[in-house]
Amino acid sequence: EAGVTQFPSHSVIEKGQTVTLRCDPISGHDNLYWYRRVMGKEIKFLLHFVKESKQDESGMPNNRFLAERTGGTYSTLKVQPAELEDSGVYFCASSQWARRTSTDTQYFGPGTRLTVL
Amino acid sequence: GIQVEQSPPDLILQEGANSTLRCNFSDSVNNLQWFHQNPWGQLINLFYIPSGTKQNGRLSATTVATERYSLLYISSSQTTDSGVYFCAGQGGSEKLVFGKGTKLTVNP
Repeated sequence: EAGVTQFPSHSVIEKGQTVTLRCDPISGHDNLYWYRRVMGKEIKFLLHFVKESKQDESGMPNNRFLAERTGGTYSTLKVQPAELEDSGVYFCASSQWARRTSTDTQYFGPGTRLTVL
Repeated sequence: GIQVEQSPPDLILQEGANSTLRCNFSDSVNNLQWFHQNPWGQLINLFYIPSGTKQNGRLSATTVATERYSLLYISSSQTTDSGVYFCAGQGGSEKLVFGKGTKLTVNP
């Protein structure tokens, strides 16, 4: 079974440009999460989809970030326009189910390293 | 939300030594996971352990939920164990809250 995949693995762009990151979750996983680790800081949550719906987007830093999950399959995270402080590693994770009183293992993708010059 | 603290921040070992990494969390958690970030930056799942003890080869983990901590044990360490170890907990929501990590260096 394929794991969580992310594309691209690396992206180098200039300040003001637009970048779109893609995540393909494990097949059958309804839950999809985005996290990021900016330089020298801990990994932080960005948002959570349940199928195609945004369940929690409390971690999105500002309106330059837009996440979508068309048809409840893959997800994209667009940064427009990119700023220097957006540099870091963006991780995607998926889990199979999460009931109100229980949770499930989140499996992480390899990450996309974003560098904004 | 919950806060997660890891200790020690850095650990240097000789190959073959044993080690214990600790994770404290500020409130009760529904889930706790341990990860190893390898030199390529990938986050590898080690354990899903909201409570109890699990073992996988040379690694084992124990979570004492009532006392709000988890321990990761590495026995007979190898150079390939080097990297950053993260613990992450889920409180009242689905998101994982990560600690700052323990950077482990195993020297030959």
